[in-house]
Amino acid sequence: EVQLVESGGGLVQPGGSLRLSCVATGFTFSSYAMSWVRQAPGKGLEWVSVISGGGASTYYADAVKGRFTISRDNSKNTLFLQMNSLRAEDTAVYYCAKGRVAVGSTMSLDYWGQGTLVTVSS
Amino acid sequence: QSVLTQPPSASGTPGQRVTISCSGSSSNIGSNTVNWYQQLPGTAPKLLIHSNDQRPSGVPDRFSGSKSRTSASLAINGLQSEDEADYYCAAWDDRLNGGVFGGGTKLTVL
Repeated sequence: EVQLVESGGGLVQPGGSLRLSCVATGFTFSSYAMSWVRQAPGKGLEWVSVISGGGASTYYADAVKGRFTISRDNSKNTLFLQMNSLRAEDTAVYYCAKGRVAVGSTMSLDYWGQGTLVTVSS
Repeated sequence: QSVLTQPPSASGTPGQRVTISCSGSSSNIGSNTVNWYQQLPGTAPKLLIHSNDQRPSGVPDRFSGSKSRTSASLAINGLQSEDEADYYCAAWDDRLNGGVFGGGTKLTVL
């Protein structure tokens, strides 16, 4: 059974940093792209970033480019999102999601975690 | 303002057929496949349709997807009360070099 479990969310002040983690089980982690998608309270889904199965390719939304870094440790079946220079508008539930394919340029996400809430506020 | 445009709301009565549209451009829907997600209240999104018209295992055949040039549609036949949810279309955008979602459509079963 595929499972994705996010952690690392919490309350952080504007300008601060957080590192989200997503531990994956139930599939060959290195064979699939992994994505982060966020949802602000009461709002729609917003794509954040994706990393290819091998980790060589990464893509970011303009809203987070230069501030967020996606990475993965295939030996530990774990996906990360390092978030720096956080802003109030980054407040959201952050979901990690498994791609159906290995390539990074995909929006076909077949399994999702339960999400972790990030709140940026002073 | 989302890159993909969906109607904010849709509704139908049990048993009816409902369609939800998703309009994009040549750089996203026009050149990449469309995916649809269902998000029930308080839960994570679920992949409903991938590759324009393919249903993942376990998704009822009441749900179907189609695509034509720069637009796509999700159809739900035999509407049921448990279909009440938010629905999102999504595609890769070659110009943005990133993923894009529609703004979402809230489906109400009357």
